[in-house]
Amino acid sequence: GENVEQHPSTLSVQEGDSAVIKCTYSDSASNYFPWYKQELGKRPQLIIDIRSNVGEKKDQRIAVTLNKTAKHFSLHITETQPEDSAVYFCAARSNNNAGNMLTFGGGTRLMVKP
Amino acid sequence: GAVVSQHPSRVICKSGTSVKIECRSLDFQATTMFWYRQFPKKSLMLMATSNEGSKATYEQGVEKDKFLINHASLTLSTLTVTSAHPEDSSFYICSARSATGTHGYTFGSGTRLTVV
Repeated sequence: GENVEQHPSTLSVQEGDSAVIKCTYSDSASNYFPWYKQELGKRPQLIIDIRSNVGEKKDQRIAVTLNKTAKHFSLHITETQPEDSAVYFCAARSNNNAGNMLTFGGGTRLMVKP
Repeated sequence: GAVVSQHPSRVICKSGTSVKIECRSLDFQATTMFWYRQFPKKSLMLMATSNEGSKATYEQGVEKDKFLINHASLTLSTLTVTSAHPEDSSFYICSARSATGTHGYTFGSGTRLTVV
């Protein structure tokens, strides 16, 4: 099955700096890669996603890049703000014969210091 | 946008009892429902995938007789934790997807289960 590795597990940055979170995946058939932001005790919120036919996608301060050959994708947050502090999860979509499931990375706890 | 309502948000139960968690898609047909478990400060681990009208497909290591999943309609799926034990205490969260995937993966708000 799919295996998703995420690094770093914790990341502390100063307000205004950039933050980069990286993920690798194992199943070359995976074709959809969403990123979620989760605050304590809340549901994951989709912040950006990318499909395998695209190399990069940007939405204001957030961007995601995908390297299909290397099977890795990254989340870039620029001009970080304290409200960006949360746990971020990457995920990869593969098929488990019951449905197109998401396999999550281990998560990155981002702390933005004011 | 798409909304999935999950109840209860918190539940405390005694060891040996059963607890039912419901997820309802409010404005779309949830053809597929994914049930996840999340331990504190950990990632979401897929427990099972259910398609409406079919038996759920469980991930390796997940006891199907302990975690009963029902997905009898396109708007409702339930997870019942049977004969709960303290080690079943966790955050359980569902994620629904329509047949066309138009709404992506919509998460419920999660249920924090504490077994005492």
